[in-house]
Amino acid sequence: TQLLEQSPQFLSIQEGENLTVYCNSSSVFSSLQWYRQEPGEGPVLLVTVVTGGEVKKLKRLTFQFGDARKDSSLHITAAQPGDTGLYLCAGLTPSSARQLTFGSGTQLTVLP
Amino acid sequence: EPEVTQTPSHQVTQMGQEVILRCVPISNHLYFYWYRQILGQKVEFLVSFYNNEISEKSEIFDDQFSVERPDGSNFTLKIRSTKLEDSAMYFCATGSNTEAFFGQGTRLTVV
Repeated sequence: TQLLEQSPQFLSIQEGENLTVYCNSSSVFSSLQWYRQEPGEGPVLLVTVVTGGEVKKLKRLTFQFGDARKDSSLHITAAQPGDTGLYLCAGLTPSSARQLTFGSGTQLTVLP
Repeated sequence: EPEVTQTPSHQVTQMGQEVILRCVPISNHLYFYWYRQILGQKVEFLVSFYNNEISEKSEIFDDQFSVERPDGSNFTLKIRSTKLEDSAMYFCATGSNTEAFFGQGTRLTVV
C-alpha cells in the first residue's frame, strides 16, 4: 500500500504571508495531482504533475514534483482568505495506474 | 465548464437496504471511478471502470458493491445490503488514465 504523507496537517497564517505544503512518499508516482476540497464537496483538481522536477504555476500557486517523483510541494505566495480550504495531494503509481492514493490533507486557514 | 453530476446529493437508508448512486460523467471521458470518504478520513479508492468493465478495485469493493454503465451515459454504484459502516460521502470521478475530475458527491447515511 502506497502512503502519501502531507505536512503540516493544519496551517493558520495571516493574509499576505507565504506558505508551503509538502507531500511525501517512499513510493515512486507516475503522476501526482493536487486538489482542493471544501466541506461537503468533492475535490477540485488544481494541477497534475508528471515529470520529475516539473514546476507548474497557477497564479499565486506553484507546484513542484520532486526529481525522484516521490514528493511534491505546493507553495502559495501572498495568501488570501479565499485560499482557505483543505489541500489534498493524490498520486498514481505504475502498479496501480488507475487508483489515486490520497494524502490526509492540509487544512489551510488564512486570516484577514 | 463541463462537470461530473451526481444524484442524489443525500440519501438516508435503512441498514440492509439496497442503494444506487448515480453519476453523469463528463462527455468524452473514458475512465470512470468511485471513491468514498468517511467523515474525517481520507478519500479512498473503490473501483475504476474502463471499456465497460472493472479495471481495478480495492479491498473495500467487495461482493456487496457493483458498478455498471447501463445506458452508455449514467455510471452507477450499487450497494446491495447496506451496513452502518457504509455511511460516507461517495464521489464519482471521470477522466483520463492520468487525472480525475470529481463530482460533488452523494452523502449516504445508513441508519
